[in-house]
Amino acid sequence: AQSVTQLDSQVPVFEEAPVELRCNYSSSVSVYLFWYVQYPNQGLQLLLKYLSGSTLVKGINGFEAEFNKSQTSFHLRKPSVHISDTAEYFCAVSIIQGAQKLVFGQGTRLTINP
Amino acid sequence: EAQVTQNPRYLITVTGKKLTVTCSQNMNHEYMSWYRQDPGLGLRQIYYSMNVEVTDKGDVPEGYKVSRKEKRNFPLILESPSPNQTSLYFCASKLRAGGGIYEQYFGPGTRLTVT
Repeated sequence: AQSVTQLDSQVPVFEEAPVELRCNYSSSVSVYLFWYVQYPNQGLQLLLKYLSGSTLVKGINGFEAEFNKSQTSFHLRKPSVHISDTAEYFCAVSIIQGAQKLVFGQGTRLTINP
Repeated sequence: EAQVTQNPRYLITVTGKKLTVTCSQNMNHEYMSWYRQDPGLGLRQIYYSMNVEVTDKGDVPEGYKVSRKEKRNFPLILESPSPNQTSLYFCASKLRAGGGIYEQYFGPGTRLTVT
C-alpha cells in the first residue's frame, strides 16, 4: 500500500519570502506524484505532477517540485510567495497500474503574512 | 465550462435521516470518485466508479452507498447518517483510469454536519 506524509501541518511565512513544503511517500511500486492546492472554500486544483523524466517539475503560479527517488521525497518550493498563495496544499501519489487511486497526505496549511 | 458540480454545498441533518449528495460532470469522464476530507487526515477515498454500473469501495466505505446509472452522475447516499460522518465531501472525475495519466477534476465540496 502507498502512504504520504506531509511533515508540516502549518507553515507561516512572510510575503516575498521563499517557502518549501515537505512531502515524503512510501510505496513498493512505481508511482506518479502530485501537488494539489485548495484555496479557502474551494475544491482542489492541480499544481503540478511528476510522471517520469526530469526530476524538477514546474507547475502553475510559480511553484516547482523536485522528485528525489532515493529519499522518496517530492518537496514543493516557491522562491517568493504572495498573499494569494495562502491555501492548503496536498501531496498525493498514485500507482501507475490499475485504477490509479490518489492517496493524499494530511495537508499543509500555508499562511502568508504581510 | 468543463466542471464537476455537487449539491447541496452545505447540509445540516440529524442522525438517521437518509440523505443524498449529488455529483455531476459534463466532461464525459468514465472515472468518478468520492472523497471525504477531515482535519489532519487529508482526503480519503470513499467509493469510486470506473464506468457506468461499475463501482467499488475505496478506503472508508462504511456507512455510504453509491450508484452509477448514468455516465455523468455519481450520487453519494448516506442511508443512516451518524455524527462521525460530519465532514467535507468532494466528488472528482477524470477521463478514465489506466492507459495513461489523466488529471482528476474536483467539485467544490459539500460540507455535511450530522447532529
